[in-house]
Amino acid sequence: DQQVKQNSPSLSVQEGRISILNCDYTNSMFDYFLWYKKYPAEGPTFLISISSIKDKNEDGRFTVFLNKSAKHLSLHIVPSQPGDSAVYFCAASAGNNRKLIWGLGTSLAVNP
Amino acid sequence: DADVTQTPRNRITKTGKRIMLECSQTKGHDRMYWYRQDPGLGLRLIYYSFDVKDINKGEISDGYSVSRQAQAKFSLSLESAIPNQTALYFCATSDSVWGPGQPQHFGDGTRLSIL
Repeated sequence: DQQVKQNSPSLSVQEGRISILNCDYTNSMFDYFLWYKKYPAEGPTFLISISSIKDKNEDGRFTVFLNKSAKHLSLHIVPSQPGDSAVYFCAASAGNNRKLIWGLGTSLAVNP
Repeated sequence: DADVTQTPRNRITKTGKRIMLECSQTKGHDRMYWYRQDPGLGLRLIYYSFDVKDINKGEISDGYSVSRQAQAKFSLSLESAIPNQTALYFCATSDSVWGPGQPQHFGDGTRLSIL
């Protein structure tokens, strides 16, 4: 059973517009959520995280929103740039061991 | 130089062979992880180590073993490789010092093909 779900395998957006990537989770014990970006032939790189005690975290063009009641989080990229084209993974963790549970990823294409 | 280095980057081998994938890091992190990525299955944790004397199984440890030779080195072994272990393997590190929410830092992966 997927505890972290990214239901959209792919997303295409025009340069300069907003990209919204979604992630749902089922485990109410998750207390940290992270987004990673992955380019081909490279490992995932950390993008932004949010604690369950917050509902928003912002870092430059990237904002993550958390809706605990809906068990849903989203990553907003504004404005989108062609260099943002990559696979984006949502991950969650719970408890002291800090193991990450990963979604399957969403492939974002930002078109010039 | 990369902070997390995986060797080899690519490997093709035959069924039944013993294979070792190596990971070294210069980040000074105490925690290290091995993942595999398969198409449609995302990243799955094989083993993780919170310090040199601490080794833990992940969700898919069968058929794999690990060795934490030093704080900076964590190797993954396939004792007798089988074709369904063909995958992209990632090593990652994290720092426990700053508490929860610390991200993991990944190497660039080893593409392993078992014929």
